[in-house]
Amino acid sequence: GAVVSQHPSWVICKSGTSVKIECRSLDFQATTMFWYRQFPKQSLMLMATSNEGSKATYEQGVEKDKFLINHASLTLSTLTVTSAHPEDSSFYICSASFASLYNEQFFGPGTRLTVL
Amino acid sequence: GNSVTQMEGPVTLSEEAFLTINCTYTATGYPSLFWYVQYPGEGLQLLLKATKADDKGSNKGFEATYRKETTSFHLEKGSVQVSDSAVYFCALNYGQFYFGTGTSLTVIP
Repeated sequence: GAVVSQHPSWVICKSGTSVKIECRSLDFQATTMFWYRQFPKQSLMLMATSNEGSKATYEQGVEKDKFLINHASLTLSTLTVTSAHPEDSSFYICSASFASLYNEQFFGPGTRLTVL
Repeated sequence: GNSVTQMEGPVTLSEEAFLTINCTYTATGYPSLFWYVQYPGEGLQLLLKATKADDKGSNKGFEATYRKETTSFHLEKGSVQVSDSAVYFCALNYGQFYFGTGTSLTVIP
């Protein structure tokens, strides 16, 4: 149980285009979803936290207009990287939690974004 | 504030060797502690967790004990296998997750 999927698993795009990454909780309702960014050989950096139906809360230094997060349902959150540039190339990982198990997060497999 | 410090890698061990990856934490309250494992190109998988002092988490031969007196949660395994090669992250949860920088483990036959 508690499976989280991400789509796509990898994407290559041209500079200036926008890319949408989906995060789905497959067998539970995720009250909260998280988006992380991971640089090569580094730890995860929390970008934002989103609760279903509410605006996402962004961490300091993360551009809200650059990384648009939508959590429209209890099973789906999306991250849109707008006007992507090469420096946005990274591994993006989402995770989800639910109310009765609030102190645990279930992680998706990640999305490798490469911006040319 | 809250933070996690884990030993620098990379760590290279021979198969069947004993593994220890040190992890210490700083927290303003009483967090839950976790070890996650990340295989190449994949997301994080929960390896084990402990939610209160003196709890021992265990899974797949790995163990870690929540030591409040030393604010530590060291990961151990008595006999590593090649398939254990991965990056290991120590983390705490206190309102949000805080991750260590990860320790890369390579096990050679």
